[in-house]
Amino acid sequence: AQSVTQLDSHVSVSEGTPVLLRCNYSSSYSPSLFWYVQHPNKGLQLLLKYTSAATLVKGINGFEAEFKKSETSFHLTKPSAHMSDAAEYFCVVSKRPSGTYKYIFGTGTRLKVLA
Amino acid sequence: GAGVSQSPSNKVTEKGKDVELRCDPISGHTALYWYRQSLGQGLEFLIYFQGNSAPDKSGLPSDRFSAERTGGSVSTLTIQRTQQEDSAVYLCASSPEVSTDTQYFGPGTRLTVL
Repeated sequence: AQSVTQLDSHVSVSEGTPVLLRCNYSSSYSPSLFWYVQHPNKGLQLLLKYTSAATLVKGINGFEAEFKKSETSFHLTKPSAHMSDAAEYFCVVSKRPSGTYKYIFGTGTRLKVLA
Repeated sequence: GAGVSQSPSNKVTEKGKDVELRCDPISGHTALYWYRQSLGQGLEFLIYFQGNSAPDKSGLPSDRFSAERTGGSVSTLTIQRTQQEDSAVYLCASSPEVSTDTQYFGPGTRLTVL
């Protein structure tokens, strides 16, 4: 079985401070992992993805994530939060357990950025 | 270029009625995906198409749900005999191929079953 757990449903940070959104996954196979962002009243947008190449993945808007197999984690980070980062973030695992694809979304982390 | 479009944007229906939700993927994208986003349930993967074929329908919540895709383009998600628990935002996405390609999401259809 495979699943993804986002450890925090809400995260608040001050503008200019670092962001850490945590994601742990479980998978019997080598997964592909993604982070998507959903701004209010806007569609989901890909931030970054890990597909078994470099373990440190850089995405858009200054975000990055590190795949750590030993910790089964794929945490999302950004050195300095901006007001425009306020949104909901989803960690996603993709797998092909029997030749067909499954996409499992985490329950989301709502990021609030304080002025 | 044009993104993924979905229609209608909002749909209010009475319990027991059938509804059809439409998705127009980005031109040339062979893969198309349907998701359901509901309060308290998060984002739930329903089904994907590779071309016109859906290899795995086990993610559909019940046999009242069906999906089809014709001409490798437009897809329709049909819900028969709607129930109140079907109320949710239904999202469609497309990508050039299945696998690890980035999925491009549409704005969704908000379905309310009274």
